[in-house]
Amino acid sequence: NAGVTQTPKFQVLKTGQSMTLQCAQDMNHNSMYWYRQDPGMGLRLIYYSASEGTTDKGEVPNGYNVSRLNKREFSLRLESAAPSQTSVYFCASSGLVTEAFFGQGTRLTVV
Amino acid sequence: GNSVTQMEGPVTLSEEAFLTINCTYTATGYPSLFWYVQYPGEGLQLLLKATKADDKGSNKGFEATYRKETTSFHLEKGSVQVSDSAVYFCALTAPKAAGNKLTFGGGTRVLVKP
Repeated sequence: NAGVTQTPKFQVLKTGQSMTLQCAQDMNHNSMYWYRQDPGMGLRLIYYSASEGTTDKGEVPNGYNVSRLNKREFSLRLESAAPSQTSVYFCASSGLVTEAFFGQGTRLTVV
Repeated sequence: GNSVTQMEGPVTLSEEAFLTINCTYTATGYPSLFWYVQYPGEGLQLLLKATKADDKGSNKGFEATYRKETTSFHLEKGSVQVSDSAVYFCALTAPKAAGNKLTFGGGTRVLVKP
């Protein structure tokens, strides 16, 4: 019963490096999301995909790109990492009438 | 736009004490309201929800009532345990919002001491 699976769990990058965070869900959900969690600021939406084939910006999209590869997978890419992108990243998914289910998170440090 | 405001923590309690975490929201129409809990080192998981005014969500001894007149969704538990130590997030989804996006409050850290 995997739910939402994110990889990697931890990552350290140097400023300017790129990386892709992977997310997959096995619940046949239409919608998927990427959030970042920073102390005292709760979770802020980076990008979301309401359905396969569509993606839209959330509250804090600058510096990120996403790809909805298929119904199961939704990846987040940092093209040129900056220290301000040090955060914990969460992927989530939801169906039409179900609540959102979250992955375990990726702790990213940019030095 | 939509927003959620919840009390800042940390909240430190003794075991068996009463817990209240205040949450108020701003949204047009009738949003759905949620409480999520995050245990150390884990992702968020749904604790309870309410989808219309005067609904009461409940789970694991926690309760929250959707109050439209005060735009509030306060979380309560009558007798907390050490295992309730976690970060609690109030959140909403706006009606007819594309993709059922969640808007979160800042989170409240709760520490229960034996």
